[in-house]
Amino acid sequence: KNQVEQSPQSLIILEGKNCTLQCNYTVSPFSNLRWYKQDTGRGPVSLTIMTFSENTKSNGRYTATLDADTKQSSLHITASQLSDSASYICVVSATGGSYIPTFGRGTSLIVHP
Amino acid sequence: EPEVTQTPSHQVTQMGQEVILRCVPISNHLYFYWYRQILGQKVEFLVSFYNNEISEKSEIFDDQFSVERPDGSNFTLKIRSTKLEDSAMYFCASTREGMNSPLHFGNGTRLTVT
Repeated sequence: KNQVEQSPQSLIILEGKNCTLQCNYTVSPFSNLRWYKQDTGRGPVSLTIMTFSENTKSNGRYTATLDADTKQSSLHITASQLSDSASYICVVSATGGSYIPTFGRGTSLIVHP
Repeated sequence: EPEVTQTPSHQVTQMGQEVILRCVPISNHLYFYWYRQILGQKVEFLVSFYNNEISEKSEIFDDQFSVERPDGSNFTLKIRSTKLEDSAMYFCASTREGMNSPLHFGNGTRLTVT
């Protein structure tokens, strides 16, 4: 069964600090992995996409990594800002068969001033 | 930047009543989806729609649910006889190229069934 597990479930950091969120998946055969940011009461917004051949991809202060061998991804946030407070969701898609992606439960990040 | 819009933002209904949730996807997108998120839980897939028909649906999407694209712009989700457990945020999403492109989500309709 395709599963996506994220850790930690929640995280509190001070403004300006860095943090790293983890995603482990069992989705197979792997197609791509996306990180979404979901502000409270809003729909998720795509941050990055990682395909099988990509190890690292950056989008501003967000850097995603992918290890397809161990089926792990991380999202690193540099110099956090108050506006980074949100839920970060890892979403993994498979090739063939169902094209419906598998969502993780998300990591709730709170950035304190 | 084009957006997916959903109405209403909040819907309160009594158990057993029918509700219709409305969505206007991004105009040049071809694939449409409904997801739901029960408070505190993860986003769950309900149904995908392409070329005027359902392409995939989850176990959640039972006979009480239906979708329509009545006029080429709106995309609706109908729940025929709501249950308490249908209370959730319902998100509409669209993509241009299926799962090779990112899901563009609306801001959701919060459905409260009393």
